[in-house]
Amino acid sequence: GENVEQHPSTLSVQEGDSAVIKCTYSDSASNYFPWYKQELGKGPQLIIDIRSNVGEKKDQRIAVTLNKTAKHFSLHITETQPEDSAVYFCAASRRSQGNLIFGKGTKLSVKP
Amino acid sequence: NAGVTQTPKFRILKIGQSMTLQCAQDMNHNYMYWYRQDPGMGLKLIYYSVGAGITDKGEVPNGYNVSRSTTEDFPLRLELAAPSQTSVYFCASSYSAAPGGASGNTIYFGEGSWLTVV
Repeated sequence: GENVEQHPSTLSVQEGDSAVIKCTYSDSASNYFPWYKQELGKGPQLIIDIRSNVGEKKDQRIAVTLNKTAKHFSLHITETQPEDSAVYFCAASRRSQGNLIFGKGTKLSVKP
Repeated sequence: NAGVTQTPKFRILKIGQSMTLQCAQDMNHNYMYWYRQDPGMGLKLIYYSVGAGITDKGEVPNGYNVSRSTTEDFPLRLELAAPSQTSVYFCASSYSAAPGGASGNTIYFGEGSWLTVV
């Protein structure tokens, strides 16, 4: 089955700096890769996603890149703000399945 | 604009007790899921359903049961609670299995149910 590894587990940056979180996946049939942000006491919320036919996707300060050959994808947050502080999860799934396999999460702290 | 609604928010159970976590969605989604989240372990899929009357096991189904009698509701049942089931439980839903897109595989989560078994 699919296995998703996520690094780092914790990340601390200064406000205004960039943050990068990386994930690798094992199942070459996976073709959908979302990123979720989870604030304390809340459920995960989708912030950006990418499909396997696209190498990069950007939405304002957030971007995701995908390398299918190497089976890894990354989340990039530029100009970080204190409100970006949260736990971020990557995930992967196949077209034929609706369920997601999640990484273990990255706790991002943005220091003002 | 309710989305995915879970109840209760918090619950303390004694070992061996039973309970049901309720989940309802108002987005007419076909797919529904139950995940559990343990500290530092990400989310693990317990059970999922692709439509009313159809359920299937996820990664960690032992100790749980589900039913899906309607499109809207997907309750999770714990029959004999054990300390290992202390966790945060998230219900989620999606329109279909097709990946990506505004109505595709975007999975929407509820706010979570904190369960402690003592």
